[in-house]
Amino acid sequence: EAGVAQSPRYKIIEKRQSVAFWCNPISGHATLYWYQQILGQGPKLLIQFQNNGVVDDSQLPKDRFSAERLKGVDSTLKIQPAKLEDSAVYLCASRPPRGGDEQFFGPGTRLTVL
Amino acid sequence: RKEVEQDPGPFNVPEGATVAFNCTYSNSASQSFFWYRQDCRKEPKLLMSVYSSGNEDGRFTAQLNRASQYISLLIRDSKLSDSATYLCVVNRANQGGKLIFGQGTELSVKP
Repeated sequence: EAGVAQSPRYKIIEKRQSVAFWCNPISGHATLYWYQQILGQGPKLLIQFQNNGVVDDSQLPKDRFSAERLKGVDSTLKIQPAKLEDSAVYLCASRPPRGGDEQFFGPGTRLTVL
Repeated sequence: RKEVEQDPGPFNVPEGATVAFNCTYSNSASQSFFWYRQDCRKEPKLLMSVYSSGNEDGRFTAQLNRASQYISLLIRDSKLSDSATYLCVVNRANQGGKLIFGQGTELSVKP
């Protein structure tokens, strides 16, 4: 079974530029999560989707971050404009519909904002 | 105060040592508990779930004390391959399975 796919794996941009990340969850996983992991910290949930609907975006900085999952499968996370403090690893995770609490993570996108 | 707090690391131990990680959580509505492992520059992966009765998986033992809101992970006979960051995680099931992660404790096992 293929795991969660993410791209790109690495991205370097200058502050005030825009960037987008893509995630394709495990087939059949209805729930998709985006996390931000700053160096030395645990992952922090940014947004949770159930199919194509948003379940929780309470910690998403909506003035600059946006995310969508239009067809309920893959998802994109965008930052516009980026700030220095957005430098982090952006992890996508998915969870099966009746598979318990375990979340399966993708390899992440490492973003550096200069 | 962070919702999930772990021992500050790093822990540096010799091969064969026993090491214990501690974690506390502040939200009594938390319903499920886990330890995830994260290798350097890799994604987190579930190590084990934690049950009130305590559970063991080979050299790993996890325990939960709901009254004290305390979770622990014990690793016996540590191996070089155990070197990683261990993340304590709680789940607020009434919030769509939202996982709250601790900051992680780094373990380095030396020969």
